[in-house]
Amino acid sequence: EVLLLESGGGLVQPGESLRLSCAASGFTFSSYAMNWVRQAPGKGLEWVSVISDSGVSTYYADSVKGRFTISRDNSKNTLYLQMNSLRAEDTAVYYCAKTKYSSTFYAFDCWGQGTLVTVSS
Amino acid sequence: QTVVTQEPSFSVSPGGTVTLTCGLSSGSVSTSYYPSWYQQTPGQAPRTLIYSTNTRSSGVPDRFSGSILGNKAALTITGAHADDESDYYCVLYMGSGISMFGGGTKLTVL
Repeated sequence: EVLLLESGGGLVQPGESLRLSCAASGFTFSSYAMNWVRQAPGKGLEWVSVISDSGVSTYYADSVKGRFTISRDNSKNTLYLQMNSLRAEDTAVYYCAKTKYSSTFYAFDCWGQGTLVTVSS
Repeated sequence: QTVVTQEPSFSVSPGGTVTLTCGLSSGSVSTSYYPSWYQQTPGQAPRTLIYSTNTRSSGVPDRFSGSILGNKAALTITGAHADDESDYYCVLYMGSGISMFGGGTKLTVL
């Protein structure tokens, strides 16, 4: 069974940093691209970032480009999201999501339960 | 700036059929965008329904189907159940690693 478990959320002040983690199990982590998707309170889902299976390629939504960094440690089956210069509008539940097909970036087939990030003074 | 469009809300009677659509603010949706569909109930993580236009995810009932209708991707629910009342999101793959969600459709079953 595929399991994705996010952690690292919490309350931070504007301008501060936070690192999220997503521990993966039940599949060959190093064979799949992984994504971060977020959902602000009462709002829709927003794709944030994706990292290739090897970690060589990374892509970001314009809203986070230059502030967020996605990374992975395939030896630890763990995905990360380093979030810097946080803003109030980054307040959201952050989900990690596995890409459906090996070596592709489209379609998410498994999701974690999410971790809440609150940016407020 | 391209926007992925969805109906904000829709209603269907129990047992009825409803088609939700997913379009682009400019241009047409084709299979090359690998449209996928996700269901979300309040407080829960999304659940994958359909990927690559019309492939059902494991365990998804066959009353859910995906297609291209005209210039949009479509999700059809045939024989709606009360527990289909949820938010539905489509995602289009824009290329170069970028995915975009639609704004979501709130489906009411009544």
